[in-house]
Amino acid sequence: GQQLNQSPQSMFIQEGEDVSMNCTSSSIFNTWLWYKQEPGEGPVLLIALYKAGELTSNGRLTAQFGITRKDSFLNISASIPSDVGIYFCAGQLGNGNQFYFGTGTSLTVIP
Amino acid sequence: EAQVTQNPRYLITVTGKKLTVTCSQNMNHEYMSWYRQDPGLGLRQIYYSMNVEVTDKGDVPEGYKVSRKEKRNFPLILESPSPNQTSLYFCASRRLAGAREQFFGPGTRLTVL
Repeated sequence: GQQLNQSPQSMFIQEGEDVSMNCTSSSIFNTWLWYKQEPGEGPVLLIALYKAGELTSNGRLTAQFGITRKDSFLNISASIPSDVGIYFCAGQLGNGNQFYFGTGTSLTVIP
Repeated sequence: EAQVTQNPRYLITVTGKKLTVTCSQNMNHEYMSWYRQDPGLGLRQIYYSMNVEVTDKGDVPEGYKVSRKEKRNFPLILESPSPNQTSLYFCASRRLAGAREQFFGPGTRLTVL
């Protein structure tokens, strides 16, 4: 399967700080997705990116589709305690049948 | 409420004892899939189904079976579970194979002793 590398693996930050995480792949993807997983629940889609260079925001979240189509970035501004969770990137290849997930970034926000 | 449901949520079993994890969605989605989540490995796809009676292997299908006799249900079957199948399992669905938004169930934590 495809390998998506996410970094960092985990982050411990103070409430109010900005967060940045990224995802890289050796393959070119047509779509990049960012999910958040809270404890005891399944992942929930946050942002979907469809074009190289695209920058999309969802409230305090901003994600970018890398120009090479092999990477993506997620930024969270002014973090709050409810941002705690595991964030996954996912890539979708051309045929659309499979999503490949990154290894996840665990975020802890300290009040 | 639109949702994906899984049962059971937690299961502890012993090696070799056949088990089935059920998955059901009420959104009339054509595409359904199963993932396993392991620390440091993210989510890996086990099997997927593009419609009734159409199933295919994902990245880690060994030791698993699925069936899709009805559109809403997509059970995951472990004929002879082994300890390396201890994991957190998620069922997911989306409207069509090419749709971006995928809805996940709440997960099933399986322990095989």
